[in-house]
Amino acid sequence: DAGITQSPRYKITETGRQVTLMCHQTWSHSYMFWYRQDLGHGLRLIYYSAAADITDKGEVPDGYVVSRSKTENFPLTLESATRSQTSVYFCASSVEGPDTGELFFGEGSRLTVL
Amino acid sequence: GENVEQHPSTLSVQEGDSAVIKCTYSDSASNYFPWYKQELGKGPQLIIDIRSNVGEKKDQRIAVTLNKTAKHFSLHITETQPEDSAVYFCAASFGNEKLTFGTGTRLTIIP
Repeated sequence: DAGITQSPRYKITETGRQVTLMCHQTWSHSYMFWYRQDLGHGLRLIYYSAAADITDKGEVPDGYVVSRSKTENFPLTLESATRSQTSVYFCASSVEGPDTGELFFGEGSRLTVL
Repeated sequence: GENVEQHPSTLSVQEGDSAVIKCTYSDSASNYFPWYKQELGKGPQLIIDIRSNVGEKKDQRIAVTLNKTAKHFSLHITETQPEDSAVYFCAASFGNEKLTFGTGTRLTIIP
């Protein structure tokens, strides 16, 4: 039971480069989410998806792009990375919406933008 | 806008003692309040949740209480053990398929 996996786990890039963080889940959960975790801010929602081909903005979407062509995958792309996007990124999935059911988180992707 | 405040940001307790973490929320329409535990190098994991039609919920050494009038809810851990050391996040649902998290509490259990 692989669950939810993120890759890469660690990434160092430079300002202005494009970066894609991958997220894959094996449960066929309808909902998938991307959060970023920063000290003093907790977990902030970047984007979420209620189903394949349906995505919506969260609290901090600027500078990020998502897509969901298949139920099991939800990649997050930083089109032109900035230092302020240095963070730990968590992908999560849930059967129901996050306002009613459990979120299952991946182990995180630590991104450093130089 | 939607806001969840969490206190304290760090907490150290002697093994065997109790720990309490408190959160307040801004939207009186909130109806779902989960608590997540994050161990070092891992993603957060749900440990307990409560809905607005319930005032208290227990699961072994963990309990959550909800005061809707005051708009605050708390996590109580009794008989703390070393494995309880982690970062704990409260969250509140404001509807619209979104969950807002608090800023986290780093709990350290002193042997």
